[in-house]
Amino acid sequence: DAKTTQPPSMDCAEGRAANLPCNHSTISGNEYVYWYRQIHSQGPQYIIHGLKNNETNEMASLIITEDRKSSTLILPHATLRDTAVYYCIVRVSNTGGFKTIFGAGTRLFVKA
Amino acid sequence: KAGVTQTPRYLIKTRGQQVTLSCSPISGHRSVSWYQQTPGQGLQFLFEYFSETQRNKGNFPGRFSGRQFSNSRSEMNVSTLELGDSALYLCASSLGTGQGIKTQYFGPGTRLLVL
Repeated sequence: DAKTTQPPSMDCAEGRAANLPCNHSTISGNEYVYWYRQIHSQGPQYIIHGLKNNETNEMASLIITEDRKSSTLILPHATLRDTAVYYCIVRVSNTGGFKTIFGAGTRLFVKA
Repeated sequence: KAGVTQTPRYLIKTRGQQVTLSCSPISGHRSVSWYQQTPGQGLQFLFEYFSETQRNKGNFPGRFSGRQFSNSRSEMNVSTLELGDSALYLCASSLGTGQGIKTQYFGPGTRLLVL
């Protein structure tokens, strides 16, 4: 029942930018897009989130299309340590709280 | 500031037993959510607690339950364990439940093996 769609895997050369796409065509006007990543056997790590404006922090940039139906996470200079599963998440708002639905994510392989 | 801590980190149980897992959120965080992660099903939402009240629940049987204490620490319990309950159980905390403060920070997880 995930509200997001991501490619199952992607490759990226070390030092190059990694661009990870996400489709969220049914997103509501007040729902944020969050990105997390999970390195094998560790808890997911928060990366970035946004509503409609592009966002940038020390880890990544988030580009959200004007219609908000898709977004792209950009790792500007990928390193081997960025190899992980990346999850794009839309917060589902239920009465009295929020439920987070994770999709299958994108497995990013950064190669030397 | 210390991150989310979960205890124990690893656990082995046998079918039919019950288990209690513990989660201490980041100081000041009042919302705690629990997730189950398995190779076949991925990350699945179990439940969310805020101010000692369960605010949301995923699609899991009643054998899975939880609670939150006044200091925001949370426990989850699984009764009558089944082999399929073997998984990584993750806890995440956030400041609150509003969209703007909903960023969740995850703990390292408890890996449960049911034999």
